[in-house]
Amino acid sequence: SAVISQKPSRDICQRGTSLTIQCQVDSQVTMMFWYRQQPGQSLTLIATANQGSEATYESGFVIDKFPISRPNLTFSTLTVSNMSPEDSSIYLCSVGQGSSYEQYFGPGTRLTVT
Amino acid sequence: TQLLEQSPQFLSIQEGENLTVYCNSSSVFSSLQWYRQEPGEGPVLLVTVVTGGEVKKLKRLTFQFGDARKDSSLHITAAQPGDTGLYLCAGGHYKLSFGAGTTVTVRA
Repeated sequence: SAVISQKPSRDICQRGTSLTIQCQVDSQVTMMFWYRQQPGQSLTLIATANQGSEATYESGFVIDKFPISRPNLTFSTLTVSNMSPEDSSIYLCSVGQGSSYEQYFGPGTRLTVT
Repeated sequence: TQLLEQSPQFLSIQEGENLTVYCNSSSVFSSLQWYRQEPGEGPVLLVTVVTGGEVKKLKRLTFQFGDARKDSSLHITAAQPGDTGLYLCAGGHYKLSFGAGTTVTVRA
């Protein structure tokens, strides 16, 4: 399976600011996804990061709040914009390959907004 | 959105005991995956099941996919403290829908 790293691993940010989270994979992958895990809760898919085109967002998530880039097959970024305390969560990227059902997750970025 | 319900929400057992976690839905899934997540880490994939009635074994862990592909179970035999963690089931292809998770604590 691919080795996935995320930066930063954690951050504490003030409300109204923005944070960009990076996801780096050690090999080319077809699919990249971004999930949110709020405190004590399960994972919710934010969007699919599409290489060379705009991300595909799930219901309840919009590009203005969570802009995503995917410049190539090994790298993606998620920005959390104009943050509020409700954005305090763990943000996780995952990757999948071709027609495989399997997804592999990065270690996550723990974000606290004060 | 396809919903997955997991039960129980919490499970605390003594080392050496057996446990079963359930994952149920009213929807049919093309595949179902089980993950284990430890504090401060991302979920780690344990198994993927795709065929109705399928049974997969991973050492002391046994995974079963229902005949109708709407439910699944995870059974751990002779649990050890290292099995402690949050167990998550997830269904779908590409876009995964996750259950709420079962927090398992195995006491030494």
